[in-house]
Parts: sequence; C-alpha cells; structure tokens
Amino acid sequence: DIVLTQAPLSVSVTPGESASISCRSSKSLLSSKGITSLYWYLQRPGKSPQLLIYQMSNLASGVPDRFSSSGSETDFTLKISKVETEDVGVYYCGHRLEYPYTFGAGTKLELK
Amino acid sequence: QIQLVQSGPELKKPGESVKISCKASGYTFTDYAMHWVKQAPGKGLKWMGWINTYTGKPTYADDFKGRFVFSLEASASTANLQISNLKNEDTATYFCARGLKFGYWGQGVMVTVSS
Repeated sequence: DIVLTQAPLSVSVTPGESASISCRSSKSLLSSKGITSLYWYLQRPGKSPQLLIYQMSNLASGVPDRFSSSGSETDFTLKISKVETEDVGVYYCGHRLEYPYTFGAGTKLELK
Repeated sequence: QIQLVQSGPELKKPGESVKISCKASGYTFTDYAMHWVKQAPGKGLKWMGWINTYTGKPTYADDFKGRFVFSLEASASTANLQISNLKNEDTATYFCARGLKFGYWGQGVMVTVSS
C-alpha cells in the first residue's frame, strides 16, 4: 500500500498568517497518463471532509484561492495564505493512483 | 444542488447487521461512482471501496472483503452499505463520497457496536 506521511501533525497559526502542510508519498503518484494523483481535503470539526485540491494543484470548485498546492512525484505541499477562522480543522492528503486508495494521518490546524 | 444524504445513526449489538443508505440528488446518479470511507472515533479516513453505479459492480479494499456489501437502488439514486456480523471495531462513522475526486460527501452515519 502507498503510505502518505503528513507533517506536522498539528499546526497553530495566527489569523492572517500563512500555513504549510507537507505530504510525502512512499511511491511516485505520477500516473501513466501524466496526472499526479494527489488530493487534499479539509474536515472541519464535526463535519464531513470537503475536497480542496485535486490532481495535485487544481483548486476544487468554490474553494478560495488562498489555498494552493504544489509538489513533485512524491513530495507535496498545501499552502494556506491569510488563514481565516473557517480554515480550522484537519487536513488530509490522499491518492487515487492504485488500490487501495489511502489517506495521510491528517494535520490539525488551530488558530493562535 | 448536488447532495448526498445518508441515513441516521445506528446502535447495534455484536453479531448483528446494519444497512446504511446514501441518497444522491442534483445529478445523474449513474454518471459517477460511489465510494465508501470509514472514520473510527478520533481517527483518520480509511477507504473501503467503491461501486460502479452504472453496472453495479463493487470493488472492496482488502480489509473490507467478506462482511461488507455495497449495493444500489439505482431507480432511487441510492447506494447502500451493509455490514454483517458486526464487531466492536466496526464502530465508526461511514461516509459515502461521489466520484474519483470524492468531490461530494454525505454527512456520515455513526454506527455504534456495543453489547
């Protein structure tokens, strides 16, 4: 199985500042079709996860452009600029390269 | 608007069975696969598998082969998850999620297994 390792496990950010979350894959997530199969989700407290980023760098519909993602074949970074109250929750990376689809353990973002 | 509405919470005893539903609206049901994701209390997300909503063919992750069954009521735009011979470790919230991106999620169903 592909292992996704997120860091840090938690981050505390002052509103208006930026935050970065890392996701490292045990295997290249570049598919034979040239698509990098890496996704980011936010799960707000008590809510369902929501899609933020698909295929490594594409912003999902309705997601503020304060969110961005980049990376290589195995190392990825989610950046949140100008953090707001609504950004609090747990961020998960996940892949769709092969079965089983797996997720990282999550990074909890809190406000200072 | 696109919605996935799941059934209500369940309290079951070990050895019993449970069936969870996920009713889709706002799009053509058969255009997107339906995935199932487990979240144990205080834990992360675990993909269980998916069902092809056009053909009805299910695919299960290894940890969910045997006691878990994905099914459809396509005429009702509904996907179902049935778990038999429930164990304490099945206590979790179960989400349905649409398509390969998991672009839309149901609200989750809390299943509690306790004697």
